[in-house]
Formats: sequence, structure tokens, C-alpha cells
Amino acid sequence: GEDVEQSLFLSVREGDSSVINCTYTDSSSTYLYWYKQEPGAGLQLLTYIFSNMDMKQDQRLTVLLNKKDKHLSLRIADTQTGDSAIYFCAEMHTGTASKLTFGTGTRLQVTL
Amino acid sequence: SAVISQKPSRDICQRGTSLTIQCQVDSQVTMMFWYRQQPGQSLTLIATANQGSEATYESGFVIDKFPISRPNLTFSTLTVSNMSPEDSSIYLCSVVINTEAFFGQGTRLTVV
Repeated sequence: GEDVEQSLFLSVREGDSSVINCTYTDSSSTYLYWYKQEPGAGLQLLTYIFSNMDMKQDQRLTVLLNKKDKHLSLRIADTQTGDSAIYFCAEMHTGTASKLTFGTGTRLQVTL
Repeated sequence: SAVISQKPSRDICQRGTSLTIQCQVDSQVTMMFWYRQQPGQSLTLIATANQGSEATYESGFVIDKFPISRPNLTFSTLTVSNMSPEDSSIYLCSVVINTEAFFGQGTRLTVV
């Protein structure tokens, strides 16, 4: 079955870059997503990448995909205190009725 | 994009009772998804709700415990039946539109 892993915790200083990593096992993943969850809030879709892409950039966010190693990363440039949250990666294969398999989540703590 | 409204946003329920969670989407969608997020955990798919047919449940989830309705293309309900403290979680509905997966704000359920 699918398995999506993330490191549990990351602490960075304000202004530095954050890199959150995700590994997955299912090579048939079609789309890979990054979500942000702030305390007491729902899931906010940050960005996503199609599996035939290597990189996607959106303002402060850069997604890198290494399909050979089944490794996905999210880089947040100039990290701010408002970026403190839990970040989930998720994979979707359209052949499975578009359901998502989520990673374990990474708690990002931004310190001053 | 999609705007998803969930009700209630939170509730505290007595064990043995049932709670019905409503999910309203601002556009017509074929499939709606119900996820559970247990405290400190990632999201797990409960079932996929299709309009006009029975919901499809994931391994470990059954219709008697989590009955789902899908009366039209913009609305679905999830009932958590005969609740126990182990059902305390956040329940989220989700839709996929043009490969983007959107989530409601979630229903935070506490069973006492």
C-alpha cells in the first residue's frame, strides 16, 4: 500500500529558508500536494506538482520532485513567524478516484 | 477553486450518541471525500461519497459506524454513530476540482 513519510519537526530562524521533506512509495502517484494546517484551522492548499515536473515555484515556495528517489520537498524562502504550522504532503493517483494519501506531517517552528 | 462549508465547526457529545456533520460545496462535484484526523495525527480517508450511489469505504471504516448521505452534487453528510471517546477527532470533507483538492474547515468532535 501507499506510505508517505515526513520528519516530525523542523525549527528555523525567521528570515532563513525552510526545507520540508517528504518521501513516498507509490511510483504511480500522479499529483503531489503540500498543505498547511495552522492550529485549530482546516487545511490550506499551498501548491501542488504534476508527477512529470521536476520543479515548481510560486512566490516564496519552491517544490522539488525527484521521481526516481520518490522524494518531494517544499522550500519556503524568507520564513516568517506566520509560516509556523504543520505541513502535510499528500499524493494522489487519478486511477484511484482522486483520493489523497497524506504524509505524517511536519511541524515547522519559526523562531525570532 | 471551491468554497466548502462544514457544520458544526465543533461539538462535544456524550458517548453512545450520534452526530451528523454537513458539508456544502459552492459548485457541483461528482465525488466528495470524508477524512478523519485524530489528535496529533495525519489525515485518513474514511470514504468517498458519490451522488446516486452508495459510498465507498476504506479499510477499517464501515457504513454502520459512519453512514454517509449524498443527496445531490453539492451536499453530503457524515454521521458518526454510537460514539465513543476514540471517535474524538477532526472530520473534514474534501472535493477535487481540476486536480486541486480542497478541504472544509473541519468539525472538531470531542466525545465525553
